[in-house]
Amino acid sequence: DIQMTQSPSTLSASVGGRVTITCRASQSISSWLAWYQQKPGKAPKLLIYEASSLQSGVPSRFSGSGSGTEFTLTISSLQPDDFATYYCQQYNSYSLTFGGGTKVEIK
Amino acid sequence: EVQLVESGGGLVQPGGSLRLSCAASGFNFNTYTMNWVRQAPGKGLEWVSSISGGGDSTNYAASVKGRFIISRDNSKNTLYLQMNRLRVEDTAVYYCVKDVPTWGSAFDIWGQGTVVTVSS
Repeated sequence: DIQMTQSPSTLSASVGGRVTITCRASQSISSWLAWYQQKPGKAPKLLIYEASSLQSGVPSRFSGSGSGTEFTLTISSLQPDDFATYYCQQYNSYSLTFGGGTKVEIK
Repeated sequence: EVQLVESGGGLVQPGGSLRLSCAASGFNFNTYTMNWVRQAPGKGLEWVSSISGGGDSTNYAASVKGRFIISRDNSKNTLYLQMNRLRVEDTAVYYCVKDVPTWGSAFDIWGQGTVVTVSS
């Protein structure tokens, strides 16, 4: 199975700040990577698919980049609604796998 | 409105069985691969199983292969997960999830989840 490693596991940031989360795959997954946001007690929400395509309705302050084995999710100007846990997921091959998550906390 | 509504969760003893259902509405159900994803208490997300739109192709995580069976009834717009020989470690919120319209299994629509607790 392809292992997905996210870093950091937790980060503290201020409203208005720039946030970058990294996801590394144990082997090449081309651009078959998605990013999700999850708030406590809620189902995850798709933010980015195919590494850099913004899901409909998601604010443009979210962006994704990368290909192969290294990917990033960037939030250009952190808003109060963005404090949550973020997961990456590869869908290059079965078994589909998620990263361990990055919790974004208020600084 | 596109919607997925899970049901069937509950408390079951180790070794027992449970069947989850997911009622879909608002999209052409039979044209999409559907999935189950779970989340143990305080833990991350784990993909469990996928089934193609026609139901002829299935995939399973190693942790559930041989114990869980995914199926669908396209005439009823319903997805199922039959869970047998349940273990304590199967305790989780189970989400029914739809693939994106483009290629591949990124998940654009999630149900609210149903809680499965395996305990004696």
